[in-house]
Amino acid sequence: DTAVSQTPKYLVTQMGNDKSIKCEQNLGHDTMYWYKQDSKKFLKIMFSYNNKELIINETVPNRFSPKSPDKAHLNLHINSLELGDSAVYFCASSQDAIRASGGQETQYFGPGTRLLVL
Amino acid sequence: LAKTTQPISMDSYEGQEVNITCSHNNIATNDYITWYQQFPSQGPRFIIQGYKTKVTNEVASLFIPADRKSSTLSLPRVSLSDTAVYYCLVGGGYNQGGKLIFGQGTELSVKP
Repeated sequence: DTAVSQTPKYLVTQMGNDKSIKCEQNLGHDTMYWYKQDSKKFLKIMFSYNNKELIINETVPNRFSPKSPDKAHLNLHINSLELGDSAVYFCASSQDAIRASGGQETQYFGPGTRLLVL
Repeated sequence: LAKTTQPISMDSYEGQEVNITCSHNNIATNDYITWYQQFPSQGPRFIIQGYKTKVTNEVASLFIPADRKSSTLSLPRVSLSDTAVYYCLVGGGYNQGGKLIFGQGTELSVKP
């Protein structure tokens, strides 16, 4: 029944490793996002896909690569993990990128993946 | 994107009405104002969105003055379960491709 799900919930790994976080939404939405929330609770958008096309690509290291195999999935792969990558990563989805009225679409967030790089 | 300013924290007691004000002096004509709520260890959750005047839903009310340079989220009769961080966001519409920019939020603590 979970609308937006992420796996794994917790991820503890060593510096230099490569890891992936998976996200799935069963809401039939066309747009999906990845956000990073650091220890100071600032939530920053990283990427956004609309119908499997990348539409938002913020200033994020090339080590981060999103992949959208279909509209319901948006995975995040991180190469050569660094200590500063430790954070909570949230996936979100929305019906579309923007409402017909011009305002932001409501975004539905997953439970988050807590990544700790040692 | 319009920058938003909110109080870092607020305290309240159960049963009280809580008003959280957000300043957004450089809001653009096409910008909407949206509020999200985040509980500890959870993702943010949409509360309410508005463009001008007043918007009310089953959870909260949003008051926007005529100049739209600020907005106030009103939570009626809060309970302990309303303890959370509340984010005010402006923009994200056509001009920004739907991009949401979260500020530091207001940490609301409701006490018995």
